[in-house]
Amino acid sequence: AQSVTQPDIHITVSEGASLELRCNYSYGATPYLFWYVQSPGQGLQLLLKYFSGDTLVQGIKGFEAEFKRSQSSFNLRKPSVHWSDAAEYFCAVGANDYKLSFGAGTTVTVRA
Amino acid sequence: GAVVSQHPSWVICKSGTSVKIECRSLDFQATTMFWYRQFPKQSLMLMATSNEGSKATYEQGVEKDKFLINHASLTLSTLTVTSAHPEDSSFYICSAESGPTQTFGSGTRLTVV
Repeated sequence: AQSVTQPDIHITVSEGASLELRCNYSYGATPYLFWYVQSPGQGLQLLLKYFSGDTLVQGIKGFEAEFKRSQSSFNLRKPSVHWSDAAEYFCAVGANDYKLSFGAGTTVTVRA
Repeated sequence: GAVVSQHPSWVICKSGTSVKIECRSLDFQATTMFWYRQFPKQSLMLMATSNEGSKATYEQGVEKDKFLINHASLTLSTLTVTSAHPEDSSFYICSAESGPTQTFGSGTRLTVV
């Protein structure tokens, strides 16, 4: 079975600064990898996904993620955060049955 | 893009009553939908996989008689919480499968009093 670890529970970043959220996965085959964002009381919005091909993936809202097979990682980055990026971020790994396993999530706080 | 509508957004019900939550894929057909439960400040826990025209598959520890799932069409799945109790209060989220990607509804906040 697949699993995901997000080592950082909470990250605080200044507006305009760069952001990196870590994600490590465990899965025996080539995984489907996702980053979702959740605002309070809302559902999840897909930021980006990786299935195959180029290991650097561009997403919405200026986010990107890099798949590193050797490190079993899929870290999310944004060069310059905006106050509206404050939210909960979830990394997820999917298998061939399309079920998703989510990490525990990372809360991002943006300070002015 | 793919849109999933979930209704209601929030509901308050009395202990012992049943509540139905609807999940609709608005602009695509979904053979498979998923139901999740999320506790405050926690991640999503998969409750069940709903397949159109067949019985749902429940995750270990989820009571199938309490959480009834019906997936009668390619665009609609429903979750009914039967004989709800305060411990069933939670945030429930559905998603619809489109290939390896899942599109999520906006969630339903259930409060049982």
